[in-house]
Amino acid sequence: EPEVTQTPSHQVTQMGQEVILRCVPISNHLYFYWYRQILGQKVEFLVSFYNNEISEKSEIFDDQFSVERPDGSNFTLKIRSTKLEDSAMYFCASSLPIAGANYEQYFGPGTRLTVT
Amino acid sequence: RKEVEQDPGPFNVPEGATVAFNCTYSNSASQSFFWYRQDCRKEPKLLMSVYSSGNEDGRFTAQLNRASQYISLLIRDSKLSDSATYLCVVNERNSGTYKYIFGTGTRLKVLA
Repeated sequence: EPEVTQTPSHQVTQMGQEVILRCVPISNHLYFYWYRQILGQKVEFLVSFYNNEISEKSEIFDDQFSVERPDGSNFTLKIRSTKLEDSAMYFCASSLPIAGANYEQYFGPGTRLTVT
Repeated sequence: RKEVEQDPGPFNVPEGATVAFNCTYSNSASQSFFWYRQDCRKEPKLLMSVYSSGNEDGRFTAQLNRASQYISLLIRDSKLSDSATYLCVVNERNSGTYKYIFGTGTRLKVLA
């Protein structure tokens, strides 16, 4: 069964450093997303991406964040200058837009980001 | 009012029990609805989509009431392996794009 993959599974970084989180969505999917979940809190939407551009972003997704699809398979989230409050689990998701379908999203296993 | 509201639980039930979870959502224009399951420190996994007519998948039954903006999940004959957090998810559409809004989740612990 096809699945979304993410690397690394755990990233530890110092405050102020740049990090890049990587995702490989399901191959025939066309919509891509990033969500985050701070420990003990709910999953929060960060950004959606379609047709090589951002479709929508949340208030959390400020100028420190960027996304890219550098090739046909990878989808990345970059945080330019990490803050302590960026520590969270980051989930990538993808979906296949089929007319009349529910647009179900499938999630990767997540990258746990720890900022020290 | 929170966008998607759930009772956080925990619900502690014996094996074999029937348990029901409820969820309310605030955006009446929401497009589609789901229940996901999340195990500790793992990703959300799709349990089932929720349709207005109600739908069943084995021991799981989901219902949607658009007029009341209310979604439910019923688990029959609960198993130890059902222990997890159940996330109510609403899919919102904004100018042709979609995003998920998650509830905080309801924790279920099935006891032997």
